[in-house]
Amino acid sequence: ETGVTQSPTHLIKTRGQQVTLRCSSQSGHNTVSWYQQALGQGPQFIFQYYREEENGRGNFPPRFSGLQFPNYSSELNVNALELDDSALYLCASSLEWASGRTGELFFGEGSRLTVL
Amino acid sequence: AQSVTQPDIHITVSEGASLELRCNYSYGATPYLFWYVQSPGQGLQLLLKYFSGDTLVQGIKGFEAEFKRSQSSFNLRKPSVHWSDAAEYFCALVPRGSGNTGKLIFGQGTTLQVKP
Repeated sequence: ETGVTQSPTHLIKTRGQQVTLRCSSQSGHNTVSWYQQALGQGPQFIFQYYREEENGRGNFPPRFSGLQFPNYSSELNVNALELDDSALYLCASSLEWASGRTGELFFGEGSRLTVL
Repeated sequence: AQSVTQPDIHITVSEGASLELRCNYSYGATPYLFWYVQSPGQGLQLLLKYFSGDTLVQGIKGFEAEFKRSQSSFNLRKPSVHWSDAAEYFCALVPRGSGNTGKLIFGQGTTLQVKP
């Protein structure tokens, strides 16, 4: 067990709705990354938060947004849901990946989103 | 552009047999390299990682991987597979250099099935 917890574990939404996914990072970790894993695919990087600021973003539209709180927990928000947003959303926490440091990412078990 | 290719989508081996999962990457220099395992309904667990030094790295659960710069490969091996090794395996890289944020670039994954 990594100490990274995500909620909810499963949820069903309809097209056009909005969803918020939550992640509690491992104790002592100040960086949170979010990944989308479609069925049968590898995870795709959405974005990363470090000390409450977005610190890197993948190829995802602005309707994917996030927050990081002072306790380093994080939220992923997706607006105007589309069918293709159906996926497993993984959160990973780590120490900051600064030059010369070699951090390890610890993943939660994910939130499975189904969009109908 | 950086990318990771796992040529084998699905592999079946008999319990007790040896295993090799292939991973090739595309990157202008030597990246940080990782292997993760994902059991059904679970998050990702780090098996091993290569940052520098000895090109043969040992990981958890009896796995090892060898980095070959000339072949841009980082293949995962295990001498004797156990039924509990059945899972999805992902190879991933993180680009080196200033400004990188520890964003993992994953391959599509290889599903390992173990026959009794």
